[in-house]
Amino acid sequence: ELKVEQNPLFLSMQEGKNYTIYCNYSTTSDRLYWYRQDPGKSLESLFVLLSNGAVKQEGRLMASLDTKARLSTLHITAAVHDLSATYFCAVVPKNYGGSQGNLIFGKGTKLSVKP
Amino acid sequence: NAGVTQTPKFQVLKTGQSMTLQCAQDMNHNSMYWYRQDPGMGLRLIYYSASEGTTDKGEVPNGYNVSRLNKREFSLRLESAAPSQTSVYFCASSEASPRGGRGGYTFGSGTRLTVV
Repeated sequence: ELKVEQNPLFLSMQEGKNYTIYCNYSTTSDRLYWYRQDPGKSLESLFVLLSNGAVKQEGRLMASLDTKARLSTLHITAAVHDLSATYFCAVVPKNYGGSQGNLIFGKGTKLSVKP
Repeated sequence: NAGVTQTPKFQVLKTGQSMTLQCAQDMNHNSMYWYRQDPGMGLRLIYYSASEGTTDKGEVPNGYNVSRLNKREFSLRLESAAPSQTSVYFCASSEASPRGGRGGYTFGSGTRLTVV
């Protein structure tokens, strides 16, 4: 069974602190996505990671991918309140192939950054 | 550039009623998807369409039907709504080759459906 597991599911941080969200997946994949969702809103694409060792950074967020370990991380540096949201990772299983790959989502990590 | 447009944004149905959720994209994407989102469950794939004229079941297809009307439009129909179908429904589309960065899949704003 294909599984995408995120941890933690809930994360309460203080502003200025660093933390990492982990995303493990159970099938071969070379495409992994990170999304942000604010309450009552749609999903905003943050990163797509396309190869082993890929690292992407934007602002206080940095994502990485280790396809051998089937692990992606989303690192938050010096958190600010505006980062409070739910973060999802999603993978495209490799056996679907090409552009028809279906995103399989983790359950999400609800991040709350407190002053 | 509107991206992915879903209608309606909100809907309340009585058990047994039917309705169709509409989705249209203007990015010339081949693939389109319907997901449902329930608290603590992430997003689960209901149906997808890899290209115009084809549709396939996803993880949770029971109680739903879809139509890929043309390349732009992909509709989701509930024939006889049940309380278990209370959820937020998202339509998405994807490009052929993700170019990295943020690219690949674009989501609509969602439809909040309540079945009473």
